[in-house]
Amino acid sequence: KAGVTQTPRYLIKTRGQQVTLSCSPISGHRSVSWYQQTPGQGLQFLFEYFSETQRNKGNFPGRFSGRQFSNSRSEMNVSTLELGDSALYLCASSLDGHDNSPLHFGNGTRLTVT
Amino acid sequence: KQEVTQIPAALSVPEGENLVLNCSFTDSAIYNLQWFRQDPGKGLTSLLLIQSSQREQTSGRLNASLDKSSGRSTLYIAASQPGDSATYLCAVLSRYNQGGKLIFGQGTELSVKP
Repeated sequence: KAGVTQTPRYLIKTRGQQVTLSCSPISGHRSVSWYQQTPGQGLQFLFEYFSETQRNKGNFPGRFSGRQFSNSRSEMNVSTLELGDSALYLCASSLDGHDNSPLHFGNGTRLTVT
Repeated sequence: KQEVTQIPAALSVPEGENLVLNCSFTDSAIYNLQWFRQDPGKGLTSLLLIQSSQREQTSGRLNASLDKSSGRSTLYIAASQPGDSATYLCAVLSRYNQGGKLIFGQGTELSVKP
């Protein structure tokens, strides 16, 4: 079974631009969640989608948004990029996000904002 | 507000030693606790998941315990090997805020010397 796939692996953007990251969950998994990892703040929850609906959201500004498609694939978008948005963005999938099966993470997208 | 703390932040041991990593959390109303491993530049690999009703879980040389009443979990690694070198993260899923929202500790960076 293929794992969680995130594309692209690396991105370099300029302040003020916008970026879209993609995540394909494990087949059969309907919950997709996104996390931001930085050296200073560690891993922080962005949002979670289930059946195309945002079910939970972390404390991030509205510049961070996401969506989920009918095949459970998810995208997150960051608009008006700031230097502080440089981070590793991780996507995780699980069967439904409420059960006791572990989250499965992708290898992340490394975003650098210059 | 749930907070997760991991001690120590870094640990260096010679190969073959048994070691214990610690994780503490402030709110005992958790659904589960998970231990992850992260290699440099990579995503997270799930090691063990302990449900709130369980006391411990074992996988190979790894054993994780959970004491919900005291807000503590430990990850025991037996007969450490250089390949165990990585950052180990614990995370809790709060009973009142599920939906994929794990709260992570800052991690313990483990180095096992040959």
